[in-house]
Amino acid sequence: GEDVEQSLFLSVREGDSSVINCTYTDSSSTYLYWYKQEPGAGLQLLTYIFSNMDMKQDQRLTVLLNKKDKHLSLRIADTQTGDSAIYFCAESIVGTYKYIFGTGTRLKVLA
Amino acid sequence: DADVTQTPRNRITKTGKRIMLECSQTKGHDRMYWYRQDPGLGLRLIYYSFDVKDINKGEISDGYSVSRQAQAKFSLSLESAIPNQTALYFCATSVASRGTDTQYFGPGTRLTVL
Repeated sequence: GEDVEQSLFLSVREGDSSVINCTYTDSSSTYLYWYKQEPGAGLQLLTYIFSNMDMKQDQRLTVLLNKKDKHLSLRIADTQTGDSAIYFCAESIVGTYKYIFGTGTRLKVLA
Repeated sequence: DADVTQTPRNRITKTGKRIMLECSQTKGHDRMYWYRQDPGLGLRLIYYSFDVKDINKGEISDGYSVSRQAQAKFSLSLESAIPNQTALYFCATSVASRGTDTQYFGPGTRLTVL
């Protein structure tokens, strides 16, 4: 069945780059999303990528997609303490309503 | 003003009580969703609605019901709350566009059932 997996924790030092990884199982045409959840808040959409793309960049965020390995990553350049949050990867199948969420990766940025 | 709002933000209740969580949106989206979030489990879909007359069960609908009162309002009810329904509940909205269906989330309701 469909599944999205992420590691649970990541710790980086302020100013370093963070790389959060995600793997998914569905090989249908999909959109893949990254959401950020800060403490006490809802999920904020950061970016998304369609499965026919390899890379998408938006300011400090770079999304890389390896379709062969069904691997998605989110790179945050120059990580700041305000980037500390839980990051969710999600997959949606084109033409359906369905989102499959990963368990979330808690990013902790050390000053 | 937030596009997707949820009330209440926090609620503590007792086992057996009936609880309603409300969601309103000003985004003009047709599609609305209710999820619950539990630590280590990500988000799981409870119910979804594509328009006022369309209600569908998600993967974990047992013990829950919903009502779509208007395009902008979607409420979730727990008829008889139980402790394992303690969780963070999120409402989301979306509109299908160019093959994607990006979902936008409310701030969440933290529900504790004693």
